[in-house]
Amino acid sequence: DAGVTQSPTHLIKTRGQQVTLRCSPKSGHDTVSWYQQALGQGPQFIFQYYEEEERQRGNFPDRFSGHQFPNYSSELNVNALLLGDSALYLCASSEVGRPPGEQYFGPGTRLTVT
Amino acid sequence: DAKTTQPPSMDCAEGRAANLPCNHSTISGNEYVYWYRQIHSQGPQYIIHGLKNNETNEMASLIITEDRKSSTLILPHATLRDTAVYYCIVRGKSSGDKLTFGTGTRLAVRP
Repeated sequence: DAGVTQSPTHLIKTRGQQVTLRCSPKSGHDTVSWYQQALGQGPQFIFQYYEEEERQRGNFPDRFSGHQFPNYSSELNVNALLLGDSALYLCASSEVGRPPGEQYFGPGTRLTVT
Repeated sequence: DAKTTQPPSMDCAEGRAANLPCNHSTISGNEYVYWYRQIHSQGPQYIIHGLKNNETNEMASLIITEDRKSSTLILPHATLRDTAVYYCIVRGKSSGDKLTFGTGTRLAVRP
């Protein structure tokens, strides 16, 4: 049973560019959340998708957007990249009906903005 | 969600119990305590959660004080693979599925 998978594992972009990160949830999970983790900090919640709609959003600007597909996979898009967007981006999946805090995280995508 | 306070770092000897404290003195009645850990270069891993009763699973035990203002995560026989950052998170229904991570406790297990 595959867990949460993310691609790519590493990415280097230039300031001002746009980036798309991808996530496939754990089998049987229908909800996907995205987190940003800066070096030395805990993960910060970006947003969550359920039934192809953004259900909840953290304190992130509109440059951060997402999408969920009918197969429950998800994408995170970041426009107009800033140096401060350099971080580990984590995807977490969960199943409706399970305890909400019981989320399963992928290994993350390390984004470096130069 | 209630704020949590954890020591920045701890260590313990391999094979001994690791007891990780968490203070959440402003917790309200419907808020749960969750524990996650993050091993270097990996995503966080769910460990356990509880409301008011003590909980145990194959990974750890969670002891919540009677007034619920603090809790302790216990790893009964720590191994080198338990070296990680441990996060204590308090969340209630109003936060939806959002998990609010602090900076956690960095646990080092010594051989």
